Amino acid sequence: DARVTQTPRHKVTEMGQEVTMRCQPILGHNTVFWYRQTMMQGLELLAYFRNRAPLDDSGMPKDRFSAEMPDATLATLKIQPSEPRDSAVYFCASGRTLGTGSDEQYFGPGTRLTVT
Amino acid sequence: SQKIEQNSEALNIQEGKTATLTCNYTNYSPAYLQWYRQDPGRGPVFLLLIRENEKEKRKERLKVTFDTTLKQSLFHITASQPADSATYLCALDPGSSNTGKLIFGQGTTLQVKP
Repeated sequence: DARVTQTPRHKVTEMGQEVTMRCQPILGHNTVFWYRQTMMQGLELLAYFRNRAPLDDSGMPKDRFSAEMPDATLATLKIQPSEPRDSAVYFCASGRTLGTGSDEQYFGPGTRLTVT
Repeated sequence: SQKIEQNSEALNIQEGKTATLTCNYTNYSPAYLQWYRQDPGRGPVFLLLIRENEKEKRKERLKVTFDTTLKQSLFHITASQPADSATYLCALDPGSSNTGKLIFGQGTTLQVKP
């Protein structure tokens, strides 16, 4: 049963520290998405990749957030320096874009980040 | 501005009844719309997809309609069960074809009482 995995599941850190979240997409999926979910804003798209190339990171605060896909089995989302307003659940999702525009996404369990 | 709106108030219904959730959107022209289920502490799970040229789609006790004139999708769960209690999210492609990108609504929480 193929699943998206994310580590860590929970992270508590102090303001100013660097945070790195990792995601392993489902094997064979060529699209990876990073989302942030809060009660106020809901599920917001931060960045996404197709075939490891970044397609859009306009939802991400560029000065402190960065997203990369060093290889097909790993996507990372980094926050440096972290701030209390970054506290949220961060989800990674993967999908298989067939070019038809109708791609379901498979979500990981999320990383719950608390910045104090 | 572009918006996706789902009823922010929780929907409480009795077991066995039909639950109907609404998703309205403005200033988008999506080619398709998806519905996801999210349980507390978990990531969203895909349920159904409907295309702009489809009026209705069914899967077991689930039914989705898509009215591009009204810019609305309705999500129905018939013969609802307490296990259907969850938050339901609608999502659409923002018109940028072939990217796989989705924009999500805030979700509606459904509570089915036994």
